[in-house]
Amino acid sequence: GAGVSQSPRYKVAKRGQDVALRCDPISGHVSLFWYQQALGQGPEFLTYFQNEAQLDKSGLPSDRFFAERPEGSVSTLKIQRTQQEDSAVYLCASSLTGTDENTEAFFGQGTRLTVV
Amino acid sequence: GQNIDQPTEMTATEGAIVQINCTYQTSGFNGLFWYQQHAGEAPTFLSYNVLDGLEEKGRFSSFLSRSKGYSYLLLKELQMKDSASYLCAVRDRTGGYNKLIFGAGTRLAVHP
Repeated sequence: GAGVSQSPRYKVAKRGQDVALRCDPISGHVSLFWYQQALGQGPEFLTYFQNEAQLDKSGLPSDRFFAERPEGSVSTLKIQRTQQEDSAVYLCASSLTGTDENTEAFFGQGTRLTVV
Repeated sequence: GQNIDQPTEMTATEGAIVQINCTYQTSGFNGLFWYQQHAGEAPTFLSYNVLDGLEEKGRFSSFLSRSKGYSYLLLKELQMKDSASYLCAVRDRTGGYNKLIFGAGTRLAVHP
């Protein structure tokens, strides 16, 4: 596609419910990042994929958070047993490579998750 | 560790010039980015510096001093549509790949 696409745009979940957030990166982009952005804050790194390999998951806040990218394109961020503190915008970004000096990251519009 | 600081809020008048500062501390510095983010939208790329000096791009310029851990974004001829959050992000290469680490963002309000 022309840009990074995320779905759903908005998700309301009851506390304790599991959610799955989808990211379609730009076709051919090797690197994929997930970020969490709380209201009024900058994006916080969650995890990084290079193709299908999850090379860094140091930013995942707890073991309730799980991400996958099984075929090296579409990625899913899953949050189990959601809590109110999980309410945030979840941003996905992709870039052509992870190591090239001159590649920028392109962001999707994000999924706004509200846990009630 | 990594630390990125920028002012929380700024206001400016339409047609004026505004400078948004950013200071950073990081172990694997590999460039500094500025992104613009309107409320409810994705961050969009504005500028990139990897070497010291000024990069100019139309109404927007960005400066970097690696020795001082300092950057600024300069916006000229401000327009109402420039009201947005401006995110300073350091590209960190620790681990052998590039990862963006963001500051909290500066909310700019442009008034008539």
